[in-house]
Amino acid sequence: QLVLTQSPSASASLGASVKLTCTLSSGHSSYAIAWHQQQPEKGPRYLMKVNSDGSHIKGDGIPDRFSGSSSGAERYLTISSLQSEDEADYYCQTWGTGIRVFGGGTKLTVL
Amino acid sequence: EVQLLESGGGLVQPGGSLRLSCSASGFTFSSYAMSWVRQAPGKGLEWVSIIFSGTSTYYADSVKGRFTISRDNSNNMVYLQMNSLRAEDTAVYYCAKEPPGSKIIDYWGQGTLVTVSS
Repeated sequence: QLVLTQSPSASASLGASVKLTCTLSSGHSSYAIAWHQQQPEKGPRYLMKVNSDGSHIKGDGIPDRFSGSSSGAERYLTISSLQSEDEADYYCQTWGTGIRVFGGGTKLTVL
Repeated sequence: EVQLLESGGGLVQPGGSLRLSCSASGFTFSSYAMSWVRQAPGKGLEWVSIIFSGTSTYYADSVKGRFTISRDNSNNMVYLQMNSLRAEDTAVYYCAKEPPGSKIIDYWGQGTLVTVSS
């Protein structure tokens, strides 16, 4: 069964960097994923697609502070030079045959 | 400029029906797969349904047999007909698009709230 696992929460200080992780279930380590950001009281926003080789394709207007990478079944979202507006929920998303799957989301707190 | 505008949300009694609409603009609508994704209050994102450019459709198990997705390529619209609604269907419903062959969502609408309550 295709499942995406994310830590429920993360925190980092203003100006620091943070790396969020999305783990693909067994047998799906070759899958690409997408990262989406949801700021408080707003709809989601597409950030980037991260491939199994670590390459990533960002959406329009996404700052250079956001980057993606991969290792095995793990897909990462790194945010550098954290700003207050980066405090948000971050979801990873992938696909199965006809279906789409979301991780449970990580709530990022900027201290 | 890409736009996805949902409408049709509201308050409905358990067992009732509601039809959501999503108006799309700013891209070649007929080429894109379109999804509905929902978010219950205080919860994460849950994929609901998808319709491909060739009109193939898929549903989450939680809505299969109760919800129907459809599209009108001539008017750049996608719909979600929701029947036999339950309290657990209460959520903000988002319309979202996928570029051809990408299998990932690259743009979201602003959402419409559906409340199922007596």
